[in-house]
Amino acid sequence: ELKVEQNPLFLSMQEGKNYTIYCNYSTTSDRLYWYRQDPGKSLESLFVLLSNGAVKQEGRLMASLDTKARLSTLHITAAVHDLSATYFCAVDTDGQFYFGTGTSLTVIP
Amino acid sequence: EPEVTQTPSHQVTQMGQEVILRCVPISNHLYFYWYRQILGQKVEFLVSFYNNEISEKSEIFDDQFSVERPDGSNFTLKIRSTKLEDSAMYFCASSGDGHTQYFGPGTRLTVL
Repeated sequence: ELKVEQNPLFLSMQEGKNYTIYCNYSTTSDRLYWYRQDPGKSLESLFVLLSNGAVKQEGRLMASLDTKARLSTLHITAAVHDLSATYFCAVDTDGQFYFGTGTSLTVIP
Repeated sequence: EPEVTQTPSHQVTQMGQEVILRCVPISNHLYFYWYRQILGQKVEFLVSFYNNEISEKSEIFDDQFSVERPDGSNFTLKIRSTKLEDSAMYFCASSGDGHTQYFGPGTRLTVL
């Protein structure tokens, strides 16, 4: 059974600090996605990573993909309160999408 | 800005009843998806749809589920005989390139 594991599951960080969320997956795939979900809301696409070594950046968030290690990271730089949300990674393997358990991020002023 | 819409926002039904959840994807998109999220849990893929047919479906998407694009704009998910464990938030998504997905606001399904 394919597994997609995120850690940490819960992250509380102070504004201005840096941190990384990790997404490990158990099967071969070169397509990985990051999403943001605010409480009670839908999912918003953040990054689409389609090859080994792919790196994407948007504002204070940067995502990378290492397909050989089956690892993706979401790095947060100088966190601000507006980044508080749950972040999901999702792996596409042969057209089936498997989501991680999510990382609930709280940025404390 | 174009967006995916879903109706109803909340559906309450009795166990064993049929429900149809409706989605209007972004107009020039060709890839459509359904997902569900049980409260507080991870998102689960149900089915993908392209060129008027199912591309992929998960193990969850059994014979009780079906999808349709009845009129070229709507995309529906039907659950024939609902079970208690079908209670969840159901999200529709569409994509123009098969990668970047735009999600609708979701339909909360409550099965009593």
